[in-house]
Amino acid sequence: QQPVQSPQAVILREGEDAVINCSSSKALYSVHWYRQKHGEAPVFLMILLKGGEQKGHEKISASFNEKKQQSSLYLTASQLSYSGTYFCGTERGSGDKLTFGTGTRLAVRP
Amino acid sequence: KAGVTQTPRYLIKTRGQQVTLSCSPISGHRSVSWYQQTPGQGLQFLFEYFSETQRNKGNFPGRFSGRQFSNSRSEMNVSTLELGDSALYLCASSTLRGPGNTIYFGEGSWLTVV
Repeated sequence: QQPVQSPQAVILREGEDAVINCSSSKALYSVHWYRQKHGEAPVFLMILLKGGEQKGHEKISASFNEKKQQSSLYLTASQLSYSGTYFCGTERGSGDKLTFGTGTRLAVRP
Repeated sequence: KAGVTQTPRYLIKTRGQQVTLSCSPISGHRSVSWYQQTPGQGLQFLFEYFSETQRNKGNFPGRFSGRQFSNSRSEMNVSTLELGDSALYLCASSTLRGPGNTIYFGEGSWLTVV
């Protein structure tokens, strides 16, 4: 079952923060986050396994709330290079495929 | 280390024809997955192969098929093409299969059906 992402699109000014949410109606084992720029391959950002841990990569971090089956991606002090479409992918457990949401389009303006 | 390589990058086919797309995974990766990407549907899972065996299949008609070779390279085939098959087809590879393994995408093959 496809995870639901929100918002569908967001426009930011450089330096502003944003949160992208990813939720599922099924119990999850892992959540994967990717960013895709126009005409390019999706690029891996981070993976979160069940346990509610939070991960970070420079000014981009994410959390995974196992009880709510929800993950959030936090973009802090956004840069122009953050523009793109963000996808979350979810797995429910052993043998499951990685299923992606429909994406969140993020545009960062100067 | 070379990334995931997909060929051809762009192709145009006519309705009713068939097409074969190729994917070379990252060296050492044994799992290959295929996704179809369209503007309205996002990334839709097609199938996953590991050690030449199909491990998972998405909800696509039988016109979509794939295979994996002993060197982990993979191909997917679409027969009797329809206009709705126009999309970006992405291949992704990972070292192992199963939850928690990161997959790495190639740049994709853009298919236009006219």
